[in-house]
Amino acid sequence: QKEVEQDPGPLSVPEGAIVSLNCTYSNSAFQYFMWYRQYSRKGPELLMYTYSSGNKEDGRFTAQVDKSSKYISLFIRDSQPSDSATYLCAMSDGFQKLVFGTGTRLLVSP
Amino acid sequence: GAGVSQSPSNKVTEKGKDVELRCDPISGHTALYWYRQSLGQGLEFLIYFQGNSAPDKSGLPSDRFSAERTGGSVSTLTIQRTQQEDSAVYLCASSLVKLLQVGYTFGSGTRLTVV
Repeated sequence: QKEVEQDPGPLSVPEGAIVSLNCTYSNSAFQYFMWYRQYSRKGPELLMYTYSSGNKEDGRFTAQVDKSSKYISLFIRDSQPSDSATYLCAMSDGFQKLVFGTGTRLLVSP
Repeated sequence: GAGVSQSPSNKVTEKGKDVELRCDPISGHTALYWYRQSLGQGLEFLIYFQGNSAPDKSGLPSDRFSAERTGGSVSTLTIQRTQQEDSAVYLCASSLVKLLQVGYTFGSGTRLTVV
């Protein structure tokens, strides 16, 4: 079993939809949770960062962490075609390297 | 520079040849990482450098893979006797070690194709 599990998709939605992306993990030592966005033929770029449990909002993006369930989510409101990309979750205990999910490919159609 | 720079951006090589991939991290970032991204496999950790400490090589898949970091800055990943299964995008990232928990800055990667 992988340390971090993420549905690879693709997830296809119409423009304006609310998108929910999720990851589960097994290592209870993880405290730092990130979401990266990766456009085709580009490196991943940090989108959201959350420490421990709770919610964090940044514009149309909301990151949620539920440590009791070992489950993290990224919500995208009013999705746009420019949001079409692969979204990778990543997590760390703060001392070791980041562990990434496999990424979910999102397609937002106009 | 302003970001993490990787070269070449694309590399096609014949099976059995050696290749060198280069990474120039953000100035002042003491931590440097190499990851490999294969289709459907996500990001696979390869090696981690932190300052003058011994590198964490735990992710290198075989002894054909090696990496060095000179002067605490530029890093080179070398793959000897390349195989077709080595075809992937090789990503380099750097970070300020004290802010490891806030994530890395990645380069655009080197797309390696072994034919």
